[in-house]
Amino acid sequence: NAGVTQTPKFQVLKTGQSMTLQCAQDMNHNSMYWYRQDPGMGLRLIYYSASEGTTDKGEVPNGYNVSRLNKREFSLRLESAAPSQTSVYFCASNLSSYNSPLHFGNGTRLTVT
Amino acid sequence: KNEVEQSPQNLTAQEGEFITINCSYSVGISALHWLQQHPGGGIVSLFMLSSGKKKHGRLIATINIQEKHSSLHITASHPRDSAVYICAVIPGKLTFGQGTILTVHP
Repeated sequence: NAGVTQTPKFQVLKTGQSMTLQCAQDMNHNSMYWYRQDPGMGLRLIYYSASEGTTDKGEVPNGYNVSRLNKREFSLRLESAAPSQTSVYFCASNLSSYNSPLHFGNGTRLTVT
Repeated sequence: KNEVEQSPQNLTAQEGEFITINCSYSVGISALHWLQQHPGGGIVSLFMLSSGKKKHGRLIATINIQEKHSSLHITASHPRDSAVYICAVIPGKLTFGQGTILTVHP
């Protein structure tokens, strides 16, 4: 099983450019998440999707949009990238948002210049 | 005050030592996760627990719901255990601790 697949692994953007981070899981999980990790800040939730067809804001949603395309895929879009969005982004999934183990993608290192 | 506090923030040990990492939280929870982040950046789930104790190999996780506290123990530590250990709680959505950076020297 591939688990959680996240693309791309690295990306450099200029301020104002847009991009979409892709995430797919093959474990038939209901819940999917996007986090960002910054030095000294730990992991912070950007958006999550408790089930197919639903999305909800997390702790730091400003500047991002998400799409739960189907049960497998959950994408994160930066419409107009800013240097403050330089971070490492992780996608994760689990069977249920309340009490099942999390599975993480390998992360995307994004630099906005 | 953060909802999830981990201690210590940094921990250095010699190979073979017994290690304890602590996690305290201030909210009611349905479950607590312990995660390991490798030096290369990947994150794996070690444990999810809502009561008592779980063991996997040399790793043991305990939780005391009344005291809002969990511990992760590593017995007979090894350099390959060097990583960042993160606890996270579920009051609906996950809230993460800052992580404990563990370095085990041979």
